[in-house]
Amino acid sequence: AQSVAQPEDQVNVAEGNPLTVKCTYSVSGNPYLFWYVQYPNRGLQFLLKYITGDNLVKGSYGFEAEFNKSQTSFHLKKPSALVSDSALYFCAVSPNQAGTALIFGKGTTLSVSS
Amino acid sequence: DVKVTQSSRYLVKRTGEKVFLECVQDMDHENMFWYRQDPGLGLRLIYFSYDVKMKEKGDIPEGYSVSREKKERFSLILESASTNQTSMYLCASSLAFGGAFFGQGTRLTVV
Repeated sequence: AQSVAQPEDQVNVAEGNPLTVKCTYSVSGNPYLFWYVQYPNRGLQFLLKYITGDNLVKGSYGFEAEFNKSQTSFHLKKPSALVSDSALYFCAVSPNQAGTALIFGKGTTLSVSS
Repeated sequence: DVKVTQSSRYLVKRTGEKVFLECVQDMDHENMFWYRQDPGLGLRLIYFSYDVKMKEKGDIPEGYSVSREKKERFSLILESASTNQTSMYLCASSLAFGGAFFGQGTRLTVV
């Protein structure tokens, strides 16, 4: 079965430190990969995506993600965390087949302390 | 700006009621989705549609139905609401291959 795993329910970092939120996937073919962020009582906001090309993708709010095909991973990173980055982060994969939906991980809560 | 609009932010309904959740997108997207979000379970796909009048079951379709009579509108229907359908419901739309744009969500409470 196709799936997305976010192995950490919660990630805690201090403001100014680098952060990583992990994502691995099990999807056949060449999927598209996405990160979304959700603030309390809001819908999901798009952060960044990988379709093809450079393995390091830059997105909104200073976030970036590194695609690693051999490890089937797409980890979200930021060099210097802000308290305002505290939110729920979802990794998602599109199997890149017509008539299929995004597959989401269970989400990782990022908590940045001041 | 692209927009996906869900008709209600908060709803309270009684057990057994028929409930309609409406979603409209203004991006001419082929695909539309309904997800349900519960703590610790992430987003679970209820139904999606890749064309007008077309629908596909997702992971948890039981107790739900959908309607897509026009490209821009995708409705989720709870035929007889139950307390275990209390949840956050998220609508999204996308092009054939690509990321999804989400509405603000509807927090439904069934009492």
